Amino acid sequence: KAGVTQTPRYLIKTRGQQVTLSCSPISGHRSVSWYQQTPGQGLQFLFEYFSETQRNKGNFPGRFSGRQFSNSRSEMNVSTLELGDSALYLCASSFLAGVAGELFFGEGSRLTVL
Amino acid sequence: QQQVKQSPQSLIVQKGGISIINCAYENTAFDYFPWYQQFPGKGPALLIAIRPDVSEKKEGRFTISFNKSAKQFSLHIMDSQPGDSATYFCAASSIQGAQKLVFGQGTRLTINP
Repeated sequence: KAGVTQTPRYLIKTRGQQVTLSCSPISGHRSVSWYQQTPGQGLQFLFEYFSETQRNKGNFPGRFSGRQFSNSRSEMNVSTLELGDSALYLCASSFLAGVAGELFFGEGSRLTVL
Repeated sequence: QQQVKQSPQSLIVQKGGISIINCAYENTAFDYFPWYQQFPGKGPALLIAIRPDVSEKKEGRFTISFNKSAKQFSLHIMDSQPGDSATYFCAASSIQGAQKLVFGQGTRLTINP
């Protein structure tokens, strides 16, 4: 069974640009969550989607947005990039939403903002 | 109140020794406490998890101890091996935000051969 796939794995952008990251969950998983990982702030929850609906949102500015498609694949977008947005963005999937259980993480998309 | 505090930040243990990592939380609504293991270049992977209705859970060499009254939980790795060298994160979530994990800051564990 294929794991969570994130693309691209690495990307470099400049301040003011926008970026779109993609996540394909494990087959059959309908919940997709996004996390930001930085050395200073650690792992922070961005948002969670289930059945194309956002169920939860973390404390991030509106520049961070996401969506989920009918096939459960998800994308997140960051607009007007700032230097502080440089981070590893992790996608995680789970079979259910609203029930605590194992999250399966991808290897992440490493974003560098210059 | 949403924080999970983890200590130590880094830990060096000799092969065969016991590695202990501690976490504390404030939010009494948390009812699920997982530990994740992360190797360089990889995403975190679930190691073991506990719910507050039990005080201890053991899976192989890994044990979670949970103290509900103190709002603390810890990970014990028995007979630590060089392959256990990784970063470990404790986390917590509530039923309302089950997939919204609040993570500790992480502990970089090094097992010396």
